[in-house]
Amino acid sequence: QKEVEQDPGPLSVPEGAIVSLNCTYSNSAFQYFMWYRQYSRKGPELLMYTYSSGNKEDGRFTAQVDKSSKYISLFIRDSQPSDSATYLCAMIAGSARQLTFGSGTQLTVLP
Amino acid sequence: ETGVTQTPRHLVMGMTNKKSLKCEQHLGHNAMYWYKQSAKKPLELMFVYSLEERVENNSVPSRFSPECPNSSHLFLHLHTLQPEDSALYLCASSQGLIGTDTQYFGPGTRLTVL
Repeated sequence: QKEVEQDPGPLSVPEGAIVSLNCTYSNSAFQYFMWYRQYSRKGPELLMYTYSSGNKEDGRFTAQVDKSSKYISLFIRDSQPSDSATYLCAMIAGSARQLTFGSGTQLTVLP
Repeated sequence: ETGVTQTPRHLVMGMTNKKSLKCEQHLGHNAMYWYKQSAKKPLELMFVYSLEERVENNSVPSRFSPECPNSSHLFLHLHTLQPEDSALYLCASSQGLIGTDTQYFGPGTRLTVL
């Protein structure tokens, strides 16, 4: 079983839709949770970072962590074509060198 | 120039060639990383350097040889690679190695091994 499971998609939604991206994990030692966005031919860029259960909001993006269920989500409200990218969840158990990534979900927002 | 830069952006090499990938970070960070990203697979951590000392080597074949001459520069020397080594190689840096130290990524080098 992979430590981090992420639905690879592809996911295609119309502009303005609410997008839900999800990851599950098996290692209860994970403490810090991140979402990265990766545009084609670019490196991943950090989108959201959280370390506690609950919701964290930043503009149109909300990161949700449920440690009891070992489940994290990223919600995108009012999705835009510019949100089209691959979204990677990532998590850390202790040291930053132990960053573990999901395989990424490819999202396309259609105008 | 700001952030993390990588050169070259694209590289095509034969199996008998020797080449090097270069990474430079302009963030004043102390830790640097090499990752391999293959299609439809999670990013695989290859090497971690902290204050120019290698602290992690994730069972990477010896045909990949990292070098960190100072905290701003990281190299990945390549020799006698295999076609399955074709991938996007990403460099990242972070302030340190504690869990709250965010990693910032470069744009990657797209490597094709013929």
